[in-house]
Amino acid sequence: EAGVAQSPRYKIIEKRQSVAFWCNPISGHATLYWYQQILGQGPKLLIQFQNNGVVDDSQLPKDRFSAERLKGVDSTLKIQPAKLEDSAVYLCASSLGGNADTQYFGPGTRLTVL
Amino acid sequence: GQNIDQPTEMTATEGAIVQINCTYQTSGFNGLFWYQQHAGEAPTFLSYNVLDGLEEKGRFSSFLSRSKGYSYLLLKELQMKDSASYLCAVRDPTGANNLFFGTGTRLTVIP
Repeated sequence: EAGVAQSPRYKIIEKRQSVAFWCNPISGHATLYWYQQILGQGPKLLIQFQNNGVVDDSQLPKDRFSAERLKGVDSTLKIQPAKLEDSAVYLCASSLGGNADTQYFGPGTRLTVL
Repeated sequence: GQNIDQPTEMTATEGAIVQINCTYQTSGFNGLFWYQQHAGEAPTFLSYNVLDGLEEKGRFSSFLSRSKGYSYLLLKELQMKDSASYLCAVRDPTGANNLFFGTGTRLTVIP
Protein backbone atom coordinates (compact mmCIF):
# COMPACT_ATOMS: atom_id res chain seq x y z
CA GLU A 1 0.00 0.00 0.00
CA ALA A 2 1.42 3.37 -1.00
CA GLY A 3 1.98 5.87 1.78
CA VAL A 4 1.25 9.57 1.99
CA ALA A 5 3.02 11.44 -0.80
CA GLN A 6 4.22 15.02 -0.55
CA SER A 7 6.06 17.37 -2.85
CA PRO A 8 8.35 19.13 -3.04
CA ARG A 9 10.65 17.65 -0.40
CA TYR A 10 12.64 20.85 -0.01
CA LYS A 11 11.93 24.48 -0.83
CA ILE A 12 13.97 27.63 -0.30
CA ILE A 13 12.33 31.00 -0.85
CA GLU A 14 12.84 34.60 0.18
CA LYS A 15 10.53 36.34 2.60
CA ARG A 16 7.40 37.83 1.07
CA GLN A 17 7.41 35.21 -1.71
CA SER A 18 4.66 32.62 -2.13
CA VAL A 19 4.96 28.86 -1.88
CA ALA A 20 2.64 25.87 -2.28
CA PHE A 21 2.88 22.32 -1.02
CA TRP A 22 1.05 19.28 -2.31
CA CYS A 23 -0.14 16.15 -0.52
CA ASN A 24 -1.74 12.94 -1.76
CA PRO A 25 -3.10 10.84 1.12
CA ILE A 26 -3.31 7.06 1.42
CA SER A 27 -6.05 5.76 -0.85
CA GLY A 28 -9.39 5.61 0.90
CA HIS A 29 -8.40 7.86 3.79
CA ALA A 30 -11.15 10.37 4.38
CA THR A 31 -9.32 12.60 6.81
CA LEU A 32 -6.30 14.72 5.89
CA TYR A 33 -4.18 16.89 8.17
CA TRP A 34 -1.51 19.53 7.65
CA TYR A 35 1.00 20.05 10.46
CA GLN A 36 3.83 22.53 10.96
CA GLN A 37 6.91 21.22 12.76
CA ILE A 38 9.47 23.78 13.79
CA LEU A 39 12.95 22.45 14.53
CA GLY A 40 13.12 20.91 17.99
CA GLN A 41 9.35 20.90 18.50
CA GLY A 42 6.50 18.49 17.99
CA PRO A 43 4.10 18.82 15.06
CA LYS A 44 1.40 21.46 15.43
CA LEU A 45 -1.89 20.99 13.60
CA LEU A 46 -2.71 23.69 11.06
CA ILE A 47 -5.85 22.30 9.43
CA GLN A 48 -7.92 19.12 9.30
CA PHE A 49 -10.15 18.06 6.40
CA GLN A 50 -12.86 15.41 6.39
CA ASN A 51 -13.34 14.56 2.72
CA ASN A 52 -13.46 18.02 1.11
CA GLY A 53 -14.75 19.89 4.16
CA VAL A 54 -12.73 21.71 6.81
CA VAL A 55 -13.16 20.21 10.29
CA ASP A 56 -10.71 22.42 12.18
CA ASP A 57 -8.61 25.35 11.03
CA SER A 58 -8.43 27.17 14.35
CA GLN A 59 -4.61 27.24 14.34
CA LEU A 60 -4.15 28.21 10.70
CA PRO A 61 -2.81 31.79 10.29
CA LYS A 62 -5.48 32.70 7.80
CA ASP A 63 -3.96 36.04 6.88
CA ARG A 64 -1.19 34.22 5.02
CA PHE A 65 -1.95 30.49 4.97
CA SER A 66 -4.65 28.76 2.93
CA ALA A 67 -5.43 25.15 2.16
CA GLU A 68 -7.88 23.29 -0.01
CA ARG A 69 -8.97 19.75 -0.75
CA LEU A 70 -11.38 20.35 -3.56
CA LYS A 71 -12.18 16.77 -4.63
CA GLY A 72 -11.69 15.18 -1.24
CA VAL A 73 -8.46 13.46 -2.22
CA ASP A 74 -5.23 15.45 -2.63
CA SER A 75 -4.64 18.78 -0.97
CA THR A 76 -2.53 21.90 -1.32
CA LEU A 77 -1.26 24.24 1.38
CA LYS A 78 -0.20 27.73 0.38
CA ILE A 79 1.70 30.47 2.16
CA GLN A 80 1.44 33.99 0.77
CA PRO A 81 3.50 35.99 1.68
CA ALA A 82 6.06 33.93 3.59
CA LYS A 83 7.80 35.18 6.72
CA LEU A 84 11.09 34.08 8.26
CA GLU A 85 9.23 32.32 11.09
CA ASP A 86 7.48 30.06 8.58
CA SER A 87 10.72 28.08 8.17
CA ALA A 88 9.71 24.59 9.25
CA VAL A 89 8.82 21.14 8.01
CA TYR A 90 5.25 20.88 6.74
CA LEU A 91 3.86 17.43 7.33
CA CYS A 92 0.77 15.97 5.74
CA ALA A 93 -0.98 13.05 7.43
CA SER A 94 -4.06 11.01 6.64
CA SER A 95 -6.36 8.61 8.45
CA LEU A 96 -9.38 6.50 7.68
CA GLY A 97 -11.55 8.65 9.90
CA GLY A 98 -13.40 7.72 13.01
CA ASN A 99 -12.93 8.07 16.70
CA ALA A 100 -9.68 6.26 17.38
CA ASP A 101 -7.96 6.00 14.05
CA THR A 102 -4.23 6.28 13.50
CA GLN A 103 -2.66 9.08 11.51
CA TYR A 104 -0.01 8.19 8.93
CA PHE A 105 2.49 10.84 7.96
CA GLY A 106 4.12 11.76 4.69
CA PRO A 107 7.84 12.58 4.39
CA GLY A 108 7.24 16.32 4.77
CA THR A 109 8.37 19.44 2.94
CA ARG A 110 11.26 21.32 4.51
CA LEU A 111 10.73 25.04 3.92
CA THR A 112 13.51 27.57 4.42
CA VAL A 113 12.59 31.25 4.25
CA LEU A 114 15.56 33.59 3.78
CA GLY B 1 -5.72 23.92 27.16
CA GLN B 2 -3.28 21.16 26.41
CA ASN B 3 0.08 20.55 28.06
CA ILE B 4 2.23 17.54 27.21
CA ASP B 5 5.64 17.10 28.83
CA GLN B 6 8.50 14.80 27.90
CA PRO B 7 12.22 14.89 28.68
CA THR B 8 14.15 16.67 25.96
CA GLU B 9 17.02 14.21 25.63
CA MET B 10 18.05 10.78 26.85
CA THR B 11 21.08 8.58 26.27
CA ALA B 12 21.21 4.81 26.68
CA THR B 13 23.54 1.95 25.86
CA GLU B 14 23.05 -0.59 23.11
CA GLY B 15 21.33 -3.71 24.47
CA ALA B 16 19.91 -1.91 27.50
CA ILE B 17 16.34 -0.92 28.40
CA VAL B 18 15.13 2.69 28.39
CA GLN B 19 11.87 4.24 29.60
CA ILE B 20 10.63 7.51 28.10
CA ASN B 21 8.00 9.25 30.21
CA CYS B 22 5.17 11.52 29.12
CA THR B 23 2.78 13.47 31.35
CA TYR B 24 -0.22 15.30 30.02
CA GLN B 25 -2.91 17.76 31.03
CA THR B 26 -5.61 18.15 28.42
CA SER B 27 -9.20 19.33 28.31
CA GLY B 28 -10.29 15.81 27.42
CA PHE B 29 -8.74 12.45 26.65
CA ASN B 30 -9.46 9.99 23.87
CA GLY B 31 -6.23 8.05 23.53
CA LEU B 32 -2.46 8.49 23.63
CA PHE B 33 -0.10 7.76 20.76
CA TRP B 34 3.65 7.25 20.55
CA TYR B 35 5.47 8.03 17.31
CA GLN B 36 9.11 7.51 16.33
CA GLN B 37 10.79 10.16 14.20
CA HIS B 38 14.26 9.72 12.74
CA ALA B 39 16.10 12.93 11.87
CA GLY B 40 14.76 14.42 8.67
CA GLU B 41 12.00 11.84 8.33
CA ALA B 42 8.28 11.64 9.01
CA PRO B 43 6.89 10.37 12.31
CA THR B 44 5.95 6.70 12.21
CA PHE B 45 3.30 5.15 14.43
CA LEU B 46 4.51 2.98 17.32
CA SER B 47 1.64 2.46 19.75
CA TYR B 48 -1.79 3.52 20.91
CA ASN B 49 -3.28 3.35 24.43
CA VAL B 50 -6.80 4.33 25.38
CA LEU B 51 -7.32 2.12 28.46
CA ASP B 52 -5.06 1.85 31.50
CA GLY B 53 -2.33 -0.73 31.37
CA LEU B 54 0.51 -2.02 29.30
CA GLU B 55 0.47 -2.66 25.55
CA GLU B 56 3.35 -4.78 24.28
CA LYS B 57 4.55 -4.92 20.70
CA GLY B 58 7.86 -6.68 20.20
CA ARG B 59 10.71 -4.73 21.76
CA PHE B 60 8.43 -1.75 22.41
CA SER B 61 5.80 -1.45 25.16
CA SER B 62 3.63 1.49 26.14
CA PHE B 63 1.88 2.08 29.46
CA LEU B 64 -0.98 4.39 30.34
CA SER B 65 -2.46 5.65 33.60
CA ARG B 66 -5.38 7.98 32.87
CA SER B 67 -5.89 8.93 36.53
CA LYS B 68 -2.30 10.14 36.74
CA GLY B 69 -2.15 11.67 33.25
CA TYR B 70 0.94 9.58 32.63
CA SER B 71 2.37 7.30 29.99
CA TYR B 72 5.70 5.73 29.23
CA LEU B 73 7.32 4.06 26.27
CA LEU B 74 9.64 1.19 27.12
CA LEU B 75 12.29 0.11 24.63
CA LYS B 76 14.07 -3.17 25.28
CA GLU B 77 17.26 -4.61 23.78
CA LEU B 78 18.21 -1.23 22.39
CA GLN B 79 19.74 -1.10 18.94
CA MET B 80 21.68 1.71 17.31
CA LYS B 81 18.82 2.24 14.87
CA ASP B 82 16.57 3.18 17.81
CA SER B 83 18.37 6.53 17.98
CA ALA B 84 15.52 8.90 17.10
CA SER B 85 13.02 11.31 18.59
CA TYR B 86 10.01 9.80 20.32
CA LEU B 87 6.84 11.87 20.24
CA CYS B 88 3.98 11.52 22.71
CA ALA B 89 0.62 12.73 21.39
CA VAL B 90 -2.77 12.94 23.09
CA ARG B 91 -6.10 12.93 21.30
CA ASP B 92 -8.46 15.49 22.78
CA PRO B 93 -12.13 14.84 22.00
CA THR B 94 -13.18 18.41 22.74
CA GLY B 95 -13.47 20.25 19.46
CA ALA B 96 -12.32 18.25 16.47
CA ASN B 97 -10.77 15.27 18.27
CA ASN B 98 -7.31 16.36 17.26
CA LEU B 99 -3.84 15.13 18.26
CA PHE B 100 -1.65 17.34 20.41
CA PHE B 101 2.04 16.51 20.39
CA GLY B 102 4.75 16.94 22.97
CA THR B 103 8.09 18.36 21.89
CA GLY B 104 9.60 14.89 21.64
CA THR B 105 12.42 13.07 23.41
CA ARG B 106 15.64 12.71 21.47
CA LEU B 107 17.13 9.30 22.30
CA THR B 108 20.77 8.58 21.54
CA VAL B 109 21.90 4.97 21.70
CA ILE B 110 25.62 4.56 22.30
CA PRO B 111 27.74 1.42 21.81
